[in-house]
Amino acid sequence: NAGVTQTPKFQVLKTGQSMTLQCAQDMNHEYMSWYRQDPGMGLRLIHYSVGAGITDQGEVPNGYNVSRSTTEDFPLRLLSAAPSQTSVYFCASSYTAVPRANSPLHFGNGTRLTVT
Amino acid sequence: DQQVKQNSPSLSVQEGRISILNCDYTNSMFDYFLWYKKYPAEGPTFLISISSIKDKNEDGRFTVFLNKSAKHLSLHIVPSQPGDSAVYFCAARTAGGTSYGKLTFGQGTILTVHP
Repeated sequence: NAGVTQTPKFQVLKTGQSMTLQCAQDMNHEYMSWYRQDPGMGLRLIHYSVGAGITDQGEVPNGYNVSRSTTEDFPLRLLSAAPSQTSVYFCASSYTAVPRANSPLHFGNGTRLTVT
Repeated sequence: DQQVKQNSPSLSVQEGRISILNCDYTNSMFDYFLWYKKYPAEGPTFLISISSIKDKNEDGRFTVFLNKSAKHLSLHIVPSQPGDSAVYFCAARTAGGTSYGKLTFGQGTILTVHP
């Protein structure tokens, strides 16, 4: 049972480059989301999706795009990388859009991104 | 403005003793609280939660206490074990409005349990 799988684990980009962080889950979860973790800031929500074809912005969406063409996949695109996007990115999914004990968020192992 | 705060960046305890991790919040719209545990190079994993209508929830060695009037919750680990060494995140769920269901995370507390 793979759970939430993120690729790549590490990435270095130059300013202005674009790339896509991949996220896939095999739990048939409707809700998927992307967070970034920065020192002293906790985890902040970038974008989320409550089902295939539906996406919405979170707390810090600028500079990122998402799409949800299937239930399983939720890629995060960096359009033009900036040093401020250096961070650890986590994809998460849950059975329902409202987290609770019997439907908590399940996180992937993260992608560490450095933008120089 | 940080709506969920974990004011202690780190905590060090001896194996067998109690670990107490604290979390404060400012938003009265939070209706549910969760604790996540994170090991290095892994994603956070769900540990325990509590609804705002309760003041205590217990699961084995882990107990979460909620003081709504003080807008404060705490996670107690008894007895602490070296395997509990990790980063602990407090998260709060928004009850309504356009942000219904959204989780707001604290900054995390690094717990180190010494053998």
